[in-house]
Amino acid sequence: KQEVTQIPAALSVPEGENLVLNCSFTDSAIYNLQWFRQDPGKGLTSLLLIQSSQREQTSGRLNASLDKSSGRSTLYIAASQPGDSATYLCAVRGTGANSKLTFGKGITLSVRP
Amino acid sequence: EPEVTQTPSHQVTQMGQEVILRCVPISNHLYFYWYRQILGQKVEFLVSFYNNEISEKSEIFDDQFSVERPDGSNFTLKIRSTKLEDSAMYFCASSGQVKTDTQYFGPGTRLTVL
Repeated sequence: KQEVTQIPAALSVPEGENLVLNCSFTDSAIYNLQWFRQDPGKGLTSLLLIQSSQREQTSGRLNASLDKSSGRSTLYIAASQPGDSATYLCAVRGTGANSKLTFGKGITLSVRP
Repeated sequence: EPEVTQTPSHQVTQMGQEVILRCVPISNHLYFYWYRQILGQKVEFLVSFYNNEISEKSEIFDDQFSVERPDGSNFTLKIRSTKLEDSAMYFCASSGQVKTDTQYFGPGTRLTVL
């Protein structure tokens, strides 16, 4: 059974800092991995999708990497801003007929002005 | 930009009552999903739906739950007899032509069972 872990559960950084959010998963047989942002009481906003054949994806100040064989992904946020404060979730999709996403619990990021 | 919408945003019900949560997926998407998130816990998969039938369901999705696509635009989740432990945020999601495409999530319906 796939398990997704995100440590630490919370992170507080000063504005302007570059930071890395980690995600690990137990079963390397995945189709892809997706990073989401969740604001308090709100839905999930898709940030980046990395296919299993890819090593990284970039969107603006965000860069996500994937090391499928070791079961790890990182989300790099450059020059963090207070508006980046949110919970960041990673989710993996298994292979075969399985199209569901398995989520980590998320990392709650606070960027201090 | 197209988005997934959900109604209502908050539903309060008494234990044992039936509720229907509604979703309008992105119009050209073919794959539809329901997930839930109990407060402080992980987002959990409930069910996926394709070609007018359930393609996968989790152990959470028991006989109390059902899904339906009653017309060309709506996708509903029905809980027949709600329990206290059904209180959660319920998210609808949809993805495009291929099941491994990006899943786009709606804003959620907060269900409170009293």
